Amino acid sequence: DARVTQTPRHKVTEMGQEVTMRCQPILGHNTVFWYRQTMMQGLELLAYFRNRAPLDDSGMPKDRFSAEMPDATLATLKIQPSEPRDSAVYFCASGHGTGGDFGSGTRLTVV
Amino acid sequence: AQTVTQSQPEMSVQEAETVTLSCTYDTSESDYYLFWYKQPPSRQMILVIRQEAYKQQNATENRFSVNFQKAAKSFSLKISDSQLGDAAMYFCAYRSAAPGGGADGLTFGKGTHLIIQP
Repeated sequence: DARVTQTPRHKVTEMGQEVTMRCQPILGHNTVFWYRQTMMQGLELLAYFRNRAPLDDSGMPKDRFSAEMPDATLATLKIQPSEPRDSAVYFCASGHGTGGDFGSGTRLTVV
Repeated sequence: AQTVTQSQPEMSVQEAETVTLSCTYDTSESDYYLFWYKQPPSRQMILVIRQEAYKQQNATENRFSVNFQKAAKSFSLKISDSQLGDAAMYFCAYRSAAPGGGADGLTFGKGTHLIIQP
């Protein structure tokens, strides 16, 4: 059963540290999305790629966040430097363009 | 920009009963997709049902069905014969269907917490 794989599942880090979250999309899916879920804001789209090219990252704070897709099997989301307000669950999803299959998310806690 | 509103932060239903979760959206587009996702405590996002706006027929998946009212921009989810395993957060979501098969992301509502009482 194909699924989107995200690592790590949990991450606790100190403020100011770099955080890297990884996503392996489902083989054959040409679109990869990054979402962030917080209690206050709910689920928000941060960025997405199609055929590995970034299409939209307008939802992402540009000064500290970066998203890349170095190859078809790996997408990364980096935060440098991390801040307590970045604490959230970060989801990756992949699909052919409608909806998408979600990974289990990375719960990030910045202390 | 599109918005999705779920006006019920929490709903409670007796096991085996039927419950309806509400969702309204705002868009100027004529072609789009609507979704309901379930998020249990495991936090996995699970697609429950999907509706294409150009289809008049309401989507159905086993005990889950929707009432899609395009003119009213309403997209409610009905769960029949509620089961304990249905307890979760339910999110309504919108996606544009741009010409040529665009790949925009989802716009989510704030969610409804569904409680199933045994």
